[in-house]
Amino acid sequence: QMQLVESGGGVVQPGTSLRLSCAASGVGFSIYAMHWVRQAPGKGLEWVAVISYNGRNKNIADSVKGRFSVSRDNSKNTLYLEMKSLRRDDTAVYYCAKTGGDDWSNPPGGWGQGTLVTVSS
Amino acid sequence: QTVVTQEPSFSVSPGGTVTLTCGLTSGSVSTNNYATWYQQTPGQAPRTLIYTTNSRSSGVPDRFSGSILGNKAALTITGAQADDESDYYCVMSLGSGIWVFGGGTRLTVL
Repeated sequence: QMQLVESGGGVVQPGTSLRLSCAASGVGFSIYAMHWVRQAPGKGLEWVAVISYNGRNKNIADSVKGRFSVSRDNSKNTLYLEMKSLRRDDTAVYYCAKTGGDDWSNPPGGWGQGTLVTVSS
Repeated sequence: QTVVTQEPSFSVSPGGTVTLTCGLTSGSVSTNNYATWYQQTPGQAPRTLIYTTNSRSSGVPDRFSGSILGNKAALTITGAQADDESDYYCVMSLGSGIWVFGGGTRLTVL
């Protein structure tokens, strides 16, 4: 069973950048597509990004397109979310989630515990 | 822009049956939308209940089931229990790697 641990969250000022990591332990990270999902305080879940097992196919939600990017390093069993030009409304818990397949048509399945990003001056 | 719709709230009596739905403003839901359902309690990560319309996730009791009813995806809970009181979210694929969550349904068991 693959475990996911997000890190990199914290308090940052508007306009700055941050990189989140999602470290996977256990077997199989390199064969699964992965998602990032966020949840603003008191709000619902919002899909952010998906990346295929080999990183060749990826997509980003319109709400963050041009500011956020997703990548992975299968040699390190790690998923990344690079966030630039952060805004106050990016404040949220960010979850990574594995899928049950190798491409972006697979939904989020197994979840990490999340990392909180607070954008505030 | 396509929106995924869910009932904001629902209530069910203990032991009762409830069906939550997940629709698309752009049209009918099909199996190609890979509707997936999650349960979330405050302060916790989501728990996957049903994936790709009607496949139950490992460890999920069989009183949770997924289907397509009419033009929407549906999550049915039979024999509702007190600890089913949670927020329920659906997510659907719009194709080309685009996913959209519904706004969630707060289920009350009383």
